[in-house]
Amino acid sequence: DGGITQSPKYLFRKEGQNVTLSCEQNLNHDAMYWYRQDPGQGLRLIYYSQIVNDFQKGDIAEGYSVSREKKESFPLTVTSAQKNPTAFYLCATKPGYSYEQYFGPGTRLTVT
Amino acid sequence: AQSVTQLDSHVSVSEGTPVLLRCNYSSSYSPSLFWYVQHPNKGLQLLLKYTSAATLVKGINGFEAEFKKSETSFHLTKPSAHMSDAAEYFCVVSDSSGGYQKVTFGIGTKLQVIP
Repeated sequence: DGGITQSPKYLFRKEGQNVTLSCEQNLNHDAMYWYRQDPGQGLRLIYYSQIVNDFQKGDIAEGYSVSREKKESFPLTVTSAQKNPTAFYLCATKPGYSYEQYFGPGTRLTVT
Repeated sequence: AQSVTQLDSHVSVSEGTPVLLRCNYSSSYSPSLFWYVQHPNKGLQLLLKYTSAATLVKGINGFEAEFKKSETSFHLTKPSAHMSDAAEYFCVVSDSSGGYQKVTFGIGTKLQVIP
């Protein structure tokens, strides 16, 4: 987990509320990613960013939004439009010279 | 097309016996392959990676994997399981299809180690 911070570890929200998940890194990696993990489905890519002020939709971007104003930070907002937001969310980074991704400790979001 | 198939969703072994977690992949380009481990409510940790060098790759905690192009496989093995190996393992394929990096995760294999 070293160098990547996700906060909080557990997050509870009421249905209809937007919520922002934090991801901060001090690894000086260019690329950052957000994944969603559900039991039996592996990891699915929500959004990714290869440089500051630029980001791309992944496979399941609907109902989510991101920003990349700083290299170190890539917050994910789960909007009320996301129909099934309860999941484990993982942030990852990748240096420009490697295919290897480094993962944060994750945030478990529960929406009731 | 890129895909990865983990052939077993659950594997159960006795402590001290060998571990085999199977992974098959599909890639139109020269792929990089990875195995990650995840303990409950934690992030993923890299176990080992193949990036077109030696086909037998050694990783952390005594794990190793062999890249077999003819069989499109990248199975993870360990000679002797330890209780601390109980976790979920993900096989990952990555290639530069279409000029950008694409990464696909397998659905995971849960390893149970019986004392």
